[in-house]
Amino acid sequence: KAGVTQTPRYLIKTRGQQVTLSCSPISGHRSVSWYQQTPGQGLQFLFEYFSETQRNKGNFPGRFSGRQFSNSRSEMNVSTLELGDSALYLCASNPRSEKETQYFGPGTRLLVL
Amino acid sequence: SQQGEEDPQALSIQEGENATMNCSYKTSINNLQWYRQNSGRGLVHLILIRSNEREKHSGRLRVTLDTSKKSSSLLITASRAADTASYFCATAGGAQKLVFGQGTRLTINP
Repeated sequence: KAGVTQTPRYLIKTRGQQVTLSCSPISGHRSVSWYQQTPGQGLQFLFEYFSETQRNKGNFPGRFSGRQFSNSRSEMNVSTLELGDSALYLCASNPRSEKETQYFGPGTRLLVL
Repeated sequence: SQQGEEDPQALSIQEGENATMNCSYKTSINNLQWYRQNSGRGLVHLILIRSNEREKHSGRLRVTLDTSKKSSSLLITASRAADTASYFCATAGGAQKLVFGQGTRLTINP
């Protein structure tokens, strides 16, 4: 099976703009989770989607949102970008649960100028 | 805040030596997982150990779990240059999410 794919791999935006990142999970995986990784805060959980419903959410402001489509593909959106949003955004999938083995994509590196 | 705390933060050893990394956590867990991340890339799952297990092996990897001490260790035997990476523990407990530690940066010197 193909692994988790994320697009784009790299992105440069300016403050105030918005951005949409995409994630395609492994075929058959219904749980998709998003993480933000920064040198200062490490890996932090953003949210998890299962069967098109947000099942869990981390402690991030409302500027961070996401959705999942019927084919399990997921997108996350960040509006009104801030410099601190510069990070590696990782998507992970699992057949059923975000608490079991996670299969990660290569990530999208976002730089906000 | 992070649930898991890895120790040491950085570790540098010679190729062929064994590497041991430790992870401590604070609350009760269902399972504990170890992941590897090569520089700036996605994480790769290494091993999952459940709360009712004490030890697990996978190839050159050995993981132990002591729930009474709320700690786990990852041992990599006969290290290779390709093992150079950051290693993270992640805990799954009552909270509906996987919580990662800050990681141990392992460098294998030839």
